[in-house]
Amino acid sequence: KNQVEQSPQSLIILEGKNCTLQCNYTVSPFSNLRWYKQDTGRGPVSLTIMTFSENTKSNGRYTATLDADTKQSSLHITASQLSDSASYICVVSDRGSTLGRLYFGRGTQLTVWP
Amino acid sequence: EADIYQTPRYLVIGTGKKITLECSQTMGHDKMYWYQQDPGMELHLIHYSYGVNSTEKGDLSSESTVSRIRTEHFPLTLESARPSHTSQYLCASSGRDGGTPTNEKLFFGSGTQLSVL
Repeated sequence: KNQVEQSPQSLIILEGKNCTLQCNYTVSPFSNLRWYKQDTGRGPVSLTIMTFSENTKSNGRYTATLDADTKQSSLHITASQLSDSASYICVVSDRGSTLGRLYFGRGTQLTVWP
Repeated sequence: EADIYQTPRYLVIGTGKKITLECSQTMGHDKMYWYQQDPGMELHLIHYSYGVNSTEKGDLSSESTVSRIRTEHFPLTLESARPSHTSQYLCASSGRDGGTPTNEKLFFGSGTQLSVL
């Protein structure tokens, strides 16, 4: 069964600290993995997209890694800010052309305290 | 900044009412989608369209219907709303936008939070 599991379910950190969110998947065949940020009451916004051949990709203070062998990905947030408080969703696609079938994780709810 | 818009942002209605959730995009994307999301849960695809006059049901069974008469417009309709329809509804569209077929970008609207009393 194709699944995307994220951990932790929720996380609280202090402003300025770093954190790492995890995503494990069983989706096969694998096409790409995406990380989204979703503010409360808003739609998700894309942070990174990684294909099979990419091990790491950065977007400002966000760095995503991918290990296609172990089917694991992580999202590292550096020097957290209050505006980083949001749900971070891992999404895996199973097809090589166009968008394919998307499998969504339930997200990690990150809270950054001052 | 994504050019995809949903109205209304919030809607509170009584049981049995007919409602239409609007979604429009100005990016010229052929593909559009409707997702349903409950608090703390994953997004579930309820409808999608790959172009004008093309609509398909998604993975999650839904009593809603959609239409795609124009490329930019993808409204969702509930003929008779029930409390079980209370949820957040997210519209999305996808296109190459300079990327490859594999990295086709998915853009979301801000969502409509529906509450049926």
